[in-house]
Amino acid sequence: DAKTTQPPSMDCAEGRAANLPCNHSTISGNEYVYWYRQIHSQGPQYIIHGLKNNETNEMASLIITEDRKSSTLILPHATLRDTAVYYCIVRANSGGSNYKLTFGKGTLLTVNP
Amino acid sequence: DSGVTQTPKHLITATGQRVTLRCSPRSGDLSVYWYQQSLDQGLQFLIQYYNGEERAKGNILERFSAQQFPDLHSELNLSSLELGDSALYFCASSSAGGGGNEQFFGPGTRLTVL
Repeated sequence: DAKTTQPPSMDCAEGRAANLPCNHSTISGNEYVYWYRQIHSQGPQYIIHGLKNNETNEMASLIITEDRKSSTLILPHATLRDTAVYYCIVRANSGGSNYKLTFGKGTLLTVNP
Repeated sequence: DSGVTQTPKHLITATGQRVTLRCSPRSGDLSVYWYQQSLDQGLQFLIQYYNGEERAKGNILERFSAQQFPDLHSELNLSSLELGDSALYFCASSSAGGGGNEQFFGPGTRLTVL
């Protein structure tokens, strides 16, 4: 699986958009970008994933650059409950690969009142 | 609530002992994954089962073993416990054996080895 690079921490004001970047310059053509988050010691929570097109769901939007070497997770209106560690994970979805999730250190997003 | 349940929530035991952690996947999910989260190693994949069969292995110690039963629940057995085995153990489930489906995580079991 391709390695990802995320800033260790970020701050965001409540009600503002939180933009979390992720670099994955060695991503392969069949690898997807996944985002999970973990709120203090709880089980990780799936947020969103995408291959090359931008994706949006009820939780967030995922913007993937055209060369697919980086992506941004956008929480449009951050709340205090969005304070968590956010993990960007790159993983293949086919081809007989091991479909484990490889977690890095992630980004600790702190939403301030 | 992810729909994945894990028991017990907390477990305190002594070195050298053996414990069993239990996971019930979401209804209909065939795949179960086990992960360990310790302070120094972060979240690490241990093992995956799909419909009763071992599918993939990660950094799982020989002292650890797992199985998935016909009703699809899974158990992770940890034996000859050491202080360093203290960690959060998460189970996740997905509907497929391979990719294309997100994994849903349970609330975890916190193991403390004294």
